[in-house]
Amino acid sequence: GAGVSQSPRYKVAKRGQDVALRCDPISGHVSLFWYQQALGQGPEFLTYFQNEAQLDKSGLPSDRFFAERPEGSVSTLKIQRTQQEDSAVYLCASSPWDRGYYGYTFGSGTRLTVV
Amino acid sequence: EDKVVQSPLSLVVHEGDTVTLNCSYEVTNFRSLLWYKQEKKAPTFLFMLTSSGIEKKSGRLSSILDKKELFSILNITATQTGDSAIYLCAVDIGYNTNAGKSTFGDGTTLTVKP
Repeated sequence: GAGVSQSPRYKVAKRGQDVALRCDPISGHVSLFWYQQALGQGPEFLTYFQNEAQLDKSGLPSDRFFAERPEGSVSTLKIQRTQQEDSAVYLCASSPWDRGYYGYTFGSGTRLTVV
Repeated sequence: EDKVVQSPLSLVVHEGDTVTLNCSYEVTNFRSLLWYKQEKKAPTFLFMLTSSGIEKKSGRLSSILDKKELFSILNITATQTGDSAIYLCAVDIGYNTNAGKSTFGDGTTLTVKP
């Protein structure tokens, strides 16, 4: 597609429920990132994929967070046993291998509200 | 700990004014500094800066980096209501020359009144 697509756009989960957030990056983009953006704050790094390999997961806040990109394209961020502090916008970003002097292309995000 | 600080946190101006947004940083393994504009949810890329003293320009927007003093500024001249947004500064901490994770500041919220 023309841009980074994320779904769902909005998700309301009851505390304790598992959720799965999807990111469809621009075709051919090698690098894929997940960020978490709390209200009034800048995005915070969660994890990085180069193709299907998860090279950095140092930003995942707990073992309830899990991400995968099995075929090197679509990625899923899963949050188990959601808690209220997980409420945030989850942003996905991608870039080609040779991105030159360009930044990353972000999706519109998924707004997760845990009630 | 890597840190990016933006100032001011918010700014209200009138159309036609010129604004300067500030970004200072303390990071290890600096690769580049990026500016984004965030209107709804998706940050959209404005500039990427890697070298000190070289101004990047795009229309009414310009930006420059000072790697000695560890800061960058984003200037917007002749502001318009469409410039109202959150402006995010991020420092890329490189895994390699082609990708790096970004540490973001909390943004400057710019409101341009007619």
